[in-house]
Amino acid sequence: QVQLVESGGGVVQPGRSLRLSCAASGFSVTNYGMHWVRQAPGKGLEWVAVISYDGGNKFYADSVKGRFTISRDISKNTLYLQMNILRPEDTAVYFCAKALYTVVTPFDYWGQGTLVTVSS
Amino acid sequence: DIQMTQSPSTLSASVGDRVTITCRASQSIDNWLAWYQQKPGKAPKLLIYEASRLDSGVPSRFSGSGSGTEFTLTISRLQPDDFATYYCQQYNTFWTFGQGTKVEIK
Repeated sequence: QVQLVESGGGVVQPGRSLRLSCAASGFSVTNYGMHWVRQAPGKGLEWVAVISYDGGNKFYADSVKGRFTISRDISKNTLYLQMNILRPEDTAVYFCAKALYTVVTPFDYWGQGTLVTVSS
Repeated sequence: DIQMTQSPSTLSASVGDRVTITCRASQSIDNWLAWYQQKPGKAPKLLIYEASRLDSGVPSRFSGSGSGTEFTLTISRLQPDDFATYYCQQYNTFWTFGQGTKVEIK
């Protein structure tokens, strides 16, 4: 069955970097778009980034553009989010999510989330 | 950017009640709208997509309607497991969530 497991969260100082991972199983990331979504403590959901099923297209929310990079390793069936120049407002639980279809689509499977805390 | 506005922000209801949540888009999104349920400490769960299509395994007491800019999520008879926060999401142009509606016990 489909499973997504995030890792890599933790406490980091402002201005530093962190890389999140999302190990996928039960399907291939080459067949579906993959997303990162975050949720600040006590707040709502914010879409962060997407990588298309073929890896050829990547899009980002304005709030992270130029600082975050989404990527994947097909051989490991794993999604990544490289987060640079972190700010306190990046503090959130980060979820990876699988697209229902390949393109215009909601998310049908989510990981359990990993908490990133940006604080000095 | 497309903005999504849900109402109400909080809804107090009892088991067995009929509950309706509204979601408005700042511009037309056709029927590219999804609804999610989230419980504390858990990931969101997809309930409805394309405004009215139930995801696999979702109970039939959940229904969705609307198109263009106005959408509703209805729970026909609220069950104890339904007390949660609900989010709408547009996926017409990138992806945007509403701010959420918390359904709490009256």
